[in-house]
Amino acid sequence: ETGVTQTPRHLVMGMTNKKSLKCEQHLGHNAMYWYKQSAKKPLELMFVYSLEERVENNSVPSRFSPECPNSSHLFLHLHTLQPEDSALYLCASSQVWQPGSGANVLTFGAGSRLTVL
Amino acid sequence: SQQGEEDPQALSIQEGENATMNCSYKTSINNLQWYRQNSGRGLVHLILIRSNEREKHSGRLRVTLDTSKKSSSLLITASRAADTASYFCATEPIGQNFVFGPGTRLSVLP
Repeated sequence: ETGVTQTPRHLVMGMTNKKSLKCEQHLGHNAMYWYKQSAKKPLELMFVYSLEERVENNSVPSRFSPECPNSSHLFLHLHTLQPEDSALYLCASSQVWQPGSGANVLTFGAGSRLTVL
Repeated sequence: SQQGEEDPQALSIQEGENATMNCSYKTSINNLQWYRQNSGRGLVHLILIRSNEREKHSGRLRVTLDTSKKSSSLLITASRAADTASYFCATEPIGQNFVFGPGTRLSVLP
């Protein structure tokens, strides 16, 4: 265990379903991230939260809705997804969010494997 | 092409051999990191090298950084079957978030 826990590990949903992915970190980190990992593509940064405030939203479709109720928890709410959204969704945290500073090391969870039928 | 790009895309070696992976990038960076990912799992941080460093060691890992060529290499010595994984370089361009490459898939055969 890395200190970042993601649930569920596997999720199968239809295009009309609503589901949520959950991420929890016990490291006392102030920044949390959602990444999408699709086959044969580099990791795509989706959202970044720093001290519970969203600081990055990389042109992610509105069918993905993040929520960060406190600095330890991060959710990704899913609604009306498409089959091409099937991927491994990775949550990560870092001590601080200082892009480009050289101060960040990411700690990842094990991921949630999402399949959209 | 991408900011961080690993080479080769796939590498297969025998246990005990050394494995070398390369990463090229485009813009100026503050640091470069290497991560490992076992199949279907999250990424694990291996090593960070800063832009003012040329070489860094951690156990069986050796990382080099050449900022003039905008490239880095990861050497794993005396490889083991447990080293089988995908390896990613992550660059942190000045003022920007991490950019990951597509990764090198390493297979270490017993």
